[in-house]
Amino acid sequence: DVKVTQSSRYLVKRTGEKVFLECVQDMDHENMFWYRQDPGLGLRLIYFSYDVKMKEKGDIPEGYSVSREKKERFSLILESASTNQTSMYLCASSTQAGQRDTQYFGPGTRLTVL
Amino acid sequence: SQQGEEDPQALSIQEGENATMNCSYKTSINNLQWYRQNSGRGLVHLILIRSNEREKHSGRLRVTLDTSKKSSSLLITASRAADTASYFCATERIAAGNKLTFGGGTRVLVKP
Repeated sequence: DVKVTQSSRYLVKRTGEKVFLECVQDMDHENMFWYRQDPGLGLRLIYFSYDVKMKEKGDIPEGYSVSREKKERFSLILESASTNQTSMYLCASSTQAGQRDTQYFGPGTRLTVL
Repeated sequence: SQQGEEDPQALSIQEGENATMNCSYKTSINNLQWYRQNSGRGLVHLILIRSNEREKHSGRLRVTLDTSKKSSSLLITASRAADTASYFCATERIAAGNKLTFGGGTRVLVKP
């Protein structure tokens, strides 16, 4: 069964802290994505990766960076958290073969920055 | 503005009734997908319709796609309380690889 896990369901951080959000998938998927979800705005793509050590900016990369050292793990980094980064963060993965268009999502991390 | 925009933003129906929601988008697409999100959880893929398809069924779900109007609809027949969720359309634009662009979602409440 397909599984995407995220390191925390809820996280509270202070302004200026460095924050790491971890995502792991066990499906050997090549593609991984980080989104943030805010009420009325749907999901917006922050960064994505098509392969290990590869990363590309999405629609709203400012204030974020990512790391993909292993195929199964994709980390989102907030270098200096700000209150406007309070949001729900969702990780997803997809394959480049077969059902390549479907994305599989983790349960999400609700981050609050005080 | 967003590539995909759902209408209505919220919908309240009785169990057993049908629920219809619409999605409009702006640019040409490879495919359009619908996802469901239960409260505070991740998204679950429901159905995908390709740009050369006009209608697709999966269980109680029926999706239509009109590329000339750049719109899609999702119909849930004989709704159940368990269908209460937010529903999102997502478009894969041409030459965008596996990137999807999501709309703002329709919140559906099915009352028992």
